[in-house]
Amino acid sequence: DTGVSQNPRHKITKRGQNVTFRCDPISEHNRLYWYRQTLGQGPEFLTYFQNEAQLEKSRLLSDRFSAERPKGSFSTLEIQRTEQGDSAMYLCASSLVGPVEQYFGPGTRLTVT
Amino acid sequence: TQLLEQSPQFLSIQEGENLTVYCNSSSVFSSLQWYRQEPGEGPVLLVTVVTGGEVKKLKRLTFQFGDARKDSSLHITAAQPGDTGLYLCAGAQEGGGNKLTFGTGTQLKVEL
Repeated sequence: DTGVSQNPRHKITKRGQNVTFRCDPISEHNRLYWYRQTLGQGPEFLTYFQNEAQLEKSRLLSDRFSAERPKGSFSTLEIQRTEQGDSAMYLCASSLVGPVEQYFGPGTRLTVT
Repeated sequence: TQLLEQSPQFLSIQEGENLTVYCNSSSVFSSLQWYRQEPGEGPVLLVTVVTGGEVKKLKRLTFQFGDARKDSSLHITAAQPGDTGLYLCAGAQEGGGNKLTFGTGTQLKVEL
């Protein structure tokens, strides 16, 4: 299967701990996006990369959040000092430059207790 | 902040009925995508529309992009239980790296 993969699928952590999620995009896709989805809502844009360059960050991405895509392939999203409000589904999507179609991974469900 | 509003928010119908979901905005989008999402999974792309007035069909699903590229609709004919899910519209604007602005979602349940 060559779709977008995300790990872990579920993460339960205590408030104040740091967590890191990984996204592996479709192999030839240059662009990689992170979104966050809370219960009953549509996903909200967080940030995106074109190759290894992070080109845009949403105001939703506080200083506790950092994302990297060091070699233009997989990406990581780290949340430091987690808060209960960070509980959500974190979705990764990838696309080629040009075509608008984005393909999503299965998401990482974060629960902060 | 551009918003995409979907209606209805919830829809529960019987197998065989037809339905239409609407996606409206005051902003112009260069393209609009429709996704379906199952619980605990990521959204799955159904269709992309890019031209004002465009109509696309996917089996029993018909998608239309408004002439002004501000709105879209999804029509399902003879709904089946397998159509149950969360339907999301998402718009992209030119120059924004194609980042998507998602609608509020329509939760569809089709019962036997």
